[in-house]
Amino acid sequence: DTVLTQSPALAVSPGERVTISCRASESVSTLMHWYQQKPGQQPTLLIYLASNLESGVPARFSGSGSGTDFTLTIDPVEADDTATYYCQQSWNDPPTFGGGTKLELK
Amino acid sequence: EIQLQESGPGLVKPSQSLSLTCSVTGYTITSGYDWSWIRKFPGNKMEWMGYISYSGSTNYNPSLKSRISITRDTSKNQFFLQLNSVTTEDTATYYCARLTTPYYFDYWGQGVMVTVSS
Repeated sequence: DTVLTQSPALAVSPGERVTISCRASESVSTLMHWYQQKPGQQPTLLIYLASNLESGVPARFSGSGSGTDFTLTIDPVEADDTATYYCQQSWNDPPTFGGGTKLELK
Repeated sequence: EIQLQESGPGLVKPSQSLSLTCSVTGYTITSGYDWSWIRKFPGNKMEWMGYISYSGSTNYNPSLKSRISITRDTSKNQFFLQLNSVTTEDTATYYCARLTTPYYFDYWGQGVMVTVSS
């Protein structure tokens, strides 16, 4: 299975720019997607196909990358962005998820 | 608005079967898309378990293939998960979700926590 590696946690101040990385163990082309999960809630789709913003998601969120290295950027970060962020690939079968990056606000 | 809602027992004994229901409103599951089960383990690891397509075909994660079955009741617009021979390692929060092409999850249920314990 394709392994997706994310940093476990990040801490930033409101108003700053934050980048969350996801590295794949093999190429996934641009079939990488990002989700936000707040405590006690279900995951919600933020970005699909590496860089496409899901409808209703604030433009503060953006995604980039291809092949094995991908980035989710939040600029500027707001207090409501406290959550765990997951990447997920769908190029290789089965679909797999990263371990999540917990974003905390200082 | 499309909504998914999981239901089922929160406690299952080891070696028994885990059975969950996903009820879908706002979209007919035979109209399109694939309908998936995903689980999140304590410690945050997430695993795609499998799906049933709008036509009724199924696809399972090879890691679960011998234990899993996903079926549906089109008259109730529901689909189901059965996981056999569970162990404590199957303790997780189980989500149902809509899987869109090319294979990302655009609608999720709230999730149901299932504990496997005697």
